[in-house]
Amino acid sequence: GAVVSQHPSRVICKSGTSVKIECRSLDFQATTMFWYRQFPKQSLMLMATSNEGSKATYEQGVEKDKFLINHASLTLSTLTVTSAHPEDSSFYICSASPTYGYTFGSGTRLTVV
Amino acid sequence: DAKTTQPPSMDCAEGRAANLPCNHSTISGNEYVYWYRQIHSQGPQYIIHGLKNNETNEMASLIITEDRKSSTLILPHATLRDTAVYYCIVRDSQGGKLIFGQGTELSVKP
Repeated sequence: GAVVSQHPSRVICKSGTSVKIECRSLDFQATTMFWYRQFPKQSLMLMATSNEGSKATYEQGVEKDKFLINHASLTLSTLTVTSAHPEDSSFYICSASPTYGYTFGSGTRLTVV
Repeated sequence: DAKTTQPPSMDCAEGRAANLPCNHSTISGNEYVYWYRQIHSQGPQYIIHGLKNNETNEMASLIITEDRKSSTLILPHATLRDTAVYYCIVRDSQGGKLIFGQGTELSVKP
């Protein structure tokens, strides 16, 4: 079946540094990928839609200069959390759509200290 | 996209059927009903989807009412590993983003 691989699964970084999260579609091409954020005990919140070869579309209230998205190929999208702060600590999840439905990565637990 | 309403939590005895309801009274004709589940600290997992006919796969059955305003996900023989948050989502046939509601936290108990 369609697989989306997300890396790293866990990352701890110091406040003020940047962190890059990768999302790869392993056995299909994805012109569009989606990035979500999830805080404890809450549902997934869509942050942005990543479009191959063009700019990402951000949801209302999401800072595009803070959460940089690059979708340079049909199998890879990256999310960079710039100048991370403790309030950015969260579970970040990507997804892509092979034929029907959506396949999700296993998520990245970001902790900013 | 239409919104969905689900009970926040449910319990089910191991080995029994788990019936998870979802209301989507504003669903439009071209919108599908999707079900996903999320086990703690993992990415959501696809379960099943349907448009207007009932559907069944190896994981579950999906029953959609004739007016399509509600649906029920059925796990026929729940196991402890089915403990998760279950999300019911409606999405149009043209694709686009998936918007998650609060879901139902299902606890399967021995």
